[in-house]
Amino acid sequence: SQQGEEDPQALSIQEGENATMNCSYKTSINNLQWYRQNSGRGLVHLILIRSNEREKHSGRLRVTLDTSKKSSSLLITASRAADTASYFCATDETGGFKTIFGAGTRLFVKA
Amino acid sequence: DAGVIQSPRHEVTEMGQEVTLRCKPISGHNSLFWYRQTMMRGLELLIYFNNNVPIDDSGMPEDRFSAKMPNASFSTLKIQPSEPRDSAVYFCASSPTGGLSYGYTFGSGTRLTVV
Repeated sequence: SQQGEEDPQALSIQEGENATMNCSYKTSINNLQWYRQNSGRGLVHLILIRSNEREKHSGRLRVTLDTSKKSSSLLITASRAADTASYFCATDETGGFKTIFGAGTRLFVKA
Repeated sequence: DAGVIQSPRHEVTEMGQEVTLRCKPISGHNSLFWYRQTMMRGLELLIYFNNNVPIDDSGMPEDRFSAKMPNASFSTLKIQPSEPRDSAVYFCASSPTGGLSYGYTFGSGTRLTVV
């Protein structure tokens, strides 16, 4: 089964609006990562948040992590048409050595 | 750095044929991963190498799949014989460590179609 489960599965917004995607996971983790995948391309690493961190920012991206709820959220502010892509969360389990990816959220930003 | 380089970008082959996918990781990255992506199953880890040694191949679907990493700059994923259900996009990714503290850098993938 998937370690990370993204919600919603798909999201459609207008350019300029904020987009929020959520990720839930099942086991203890070392860190959680978010990736973007444009159609027909490989995944691109966006941001990594460690298990002892609660919030992290990178440009228009804001990631939060709540280890008590085993959940994370990715906020993209002032979205642009170029943000249209699939977004995946990925977790590195405590004591493990591999990263498990969720099923992804498909974001469509309308110009 | 040119990033993770995969070849070919597209491969169409007939059922029963041998297929070899190639990957050149980023120089200095000592961990390499092969993933398979399909609409039905999402992104699945097939095999993980650390310092050219296979650490976990539990994701390799069957004996028809094999992977090698003869040196730090090259890896192959082979399917023999190929079947239509192997059709997917295959990604190679590398990381400076086991990926636990850093993100992965993915290649552009090989889209495999088995007819």
